[in-house]
Amino acid sequence: DQQVKQNSPSLSVQEGRISILNCDYTNSMFDYFLWYKKYPAEGPTFLISISSIKDKNEDGRFTVFLNKSAKHLSLHIVPSQPGDSAVYFCAASGSGSGGSNYKLTFGKGTLLTVNP
Amino acid sequence: EAQVTQNPRYLITVTGKKLTVTCSQNMNHEYMSWYRQDPGLGLRQIYYSMNVEVTDKGDVPEGYKVSRKEKRNFPLILESPSPNQTSLYFCASRRGPLNYYGYTFGSGTRLTVV
Repeated sequence: DQQVKQNSPSLSVQEGRISILNCDYTNSMFDYFLWYKKYPAEGPTFLISISSIKDKNEDGRFTVFLNKSAKHLSLHIVPSQPGDSAVYFCAASGSGSGGSNYKLTFGKGTLLTVNP
Repeated sequence: EAQVTQNPRYLITVTGKKLTVTCSQNMNHEYMSWYRQDPGLGLRQIYYSMNVEVTDKGDVPEGYKVSRKEKRNFPLILESPSPNQTSLYFCASRRGPLNYYGYTFGSGTRLTVV
């Protein structure tokens, strides 16, 4: 049972345009959502997160939007740069007891390619 | 430099030969975790630790052991490796009690069991 879904395995955009990466989740107990970026031969790098009490969080070129009713979040990168080319993972966790806030459930990732 | 260090980066071993993948962090983080990454499956949590001597199972703990005797170290032990444990492994640590802070990941250990 896949609780965090990234339905697009890959996305290609032109440099300077907007990149939109999507993520859906099924577990209504998830309270925190995070995006990670991963280059080949490196570990994932934390990008940005959002709490379920918010619907938007911005950090420079990166903005994450959360639609709780639709159980959907998206990562917007504006403007996209060739250095943004990487695999992007969406992840989610709960905040309750029983270890749920220690566990990150990841999606399968989306490969973003930004063309010069 | 703040980092999570895993060793070795690459390892090829034979079925049944016990091995340990070491993980160390220099950020004084309380929370540490091991993940494995497999094609088409994303990252799955193996074990996690909330503090010294406190560990618990993640989603795929079978065939693995961990220990947390010191705050900075969180080794992953495969007592009798099997080919289905061939994977890319990541150790991670986190500074706070909430996932809002995000985990810091190591560079990974690519393990092949033949």
